[in-house]
Amino acid sequence: TQLLKQSPQFLSIQEGENLTVYCNSSSVFSSLQWYRQEPGEGPVLLVTVVTGGEVKKLKRLTFQFGDARKDSSLHITAAQTGDTGLYLCAGPPNSGYALNFGKGTSLLVTP
Amino acid sequence: KAGVTQTPRYLIKTRGQQVTLSCSPISGHRSVSWYQQTPGQGLQFLFEYFSETQRNKGNFPGRFSGRQFSNSRSEMNVSTLELGDSALYLCASSQLGQGDTEAFFGQGTRLTVV
Repeated sequence: TQLLKQSPQFLSIQEGENLTVYCNSSSVFSSLQWYRQEPGEGPVLLVTVVTGGEVKKLKRLTFQFGDARKDSSLHITAAQTGDTGLYLCAGPPNSGYALNFGKGTSLLVTP
Repeated sequence: KAGVTQTPRYLIKTRGQQVTLSCSPISGHRSVSWYQQTPGQGLQFLFEYFSETQRNKGNFPGRFSGRQFSNSRSEMNVSTLELGDSALYLCASSQLGQGDTEAFFGQGTRLTVV
């Protein structure tokens, strides 16, 4: 069972455009993490959001954690070709030690 | 400090063979987790080790096994390989392995079964 659902699955945009990707769950998470994975590489952590309603900014990337801590969004302003990659959200388990991952949003930014 | 190192980067094996993958975590990290990544299923958890003990196991057949050594390095083994085992195998290390601590991933081992 995929606890975290990400949308859209694929996104192709041109440089300079804005975009938002979503991570939704019916479960409450104590925190959510966002990773970016480039082809042939492992995921790299971008941010962890912990507090409901929290907004974190990382240059052109804005991350938001929903008030109910069941969803999160990632907004990219003025996308660049270097933003191309697979964006994954992940949350801690209810039990055990394994992160739950969404299937990811594959983003392609073309010149 | 050095990141997570996985070896080898690429492997091609024949159905029925077995394979061993290696992961060296970041120095000081005691938790190592393994994931299988495929286009259709995304990242799926295999198992997690902490101080040489397997603390958690995902829903994979017994052909998938692992272990962790006293220096925190970890290996995973897949026996009797099947075509469906072709995937990117990722290892992640963290200090405590708790779900809300930062996990650092290696570059992965790309396994192709023919």
